[in-house]
Amino acid sequence: DIQLTQSPSFLSASVGDRVTITCRASQDISSYLAWYEQKQGKAPKLLIYAASTLLSGVPSRFSGSGSGTEFTLTINTLQPEDFATYYCQQLSTYPITFGQGTRLDIK
Amino acid sequence: QVQLVESGGGGVQPGRSLRLSCTASGFISSSYAMQWVRQAPGKGLEWVAYISYDGSNKYYAESVKGRFTISRDNPKNTLYLQMDSLRTEDTAVYYCVRYNYGSGSYRWFDPWGQGTLVTVSS
Repeated sequence: DIQLTQSPSFLSASVGDRVTITCRASQDISSYLAWYEQKQGKAPKLLIYAASTLLSGVPSRFSGSGSGTEFTLTINTLQPEDFATYYCQQLSTYPITFGQGTRLDIK
Repeated sequence: QVQLVESGGGGVQPGRSLRLSCTASGFISSSYAMQWVRQAPGKGLEWVAYISYDGSNKYYAESVKGRFTISRDNPKNTLYLQMDSLRTEDTAVYYCVRYNYGSGSYRWFDPWGQGTLVTVSS
């Protein structure tokens, strides 16, 4: 199975900050990577797919990059509604796997 | 409006069975593969099962293989997850998701249902 490791697992930041979350795959997954945001008690929501394609309607302060085994999710100018947990997901091969999550808290 | 609504969750004893349903609306569900994903309380996301648009192909996570069965009834726009021989470690919120894919690396899960809680306990 392909393992995804996110770093950091916890992140504390302030409104207006820029944050970056890294996702490393245990083997090459090309660009078969998606990012999701999950708020407490809610279902995950897709932000980015194919490593860097922003889903229509997602604010442009979110961006993704990377290919192969290393990927990043960047949030520019954090807004209050961005404090949530973020997951990366690989869709290269089955079983589909997720990173362990990065919890983004308000400092 | 594209929507997925799960039902069928609840409390059940270990070793018993439960069937989850997921009703799709706002899109032609028979044109899409579908998946189930679960999340144990306070834990991360775990992929559970996949079914192709016509039901001809199915994949399962090792943790549920041989105990869970994914199926679909396209005329009813409904996806199912039959869960047998349930274990305490199957306790989770179960989400159904639409699987989208295109050329190249364009693959993603969207939308997600609101989830249904399954609690396996004696």
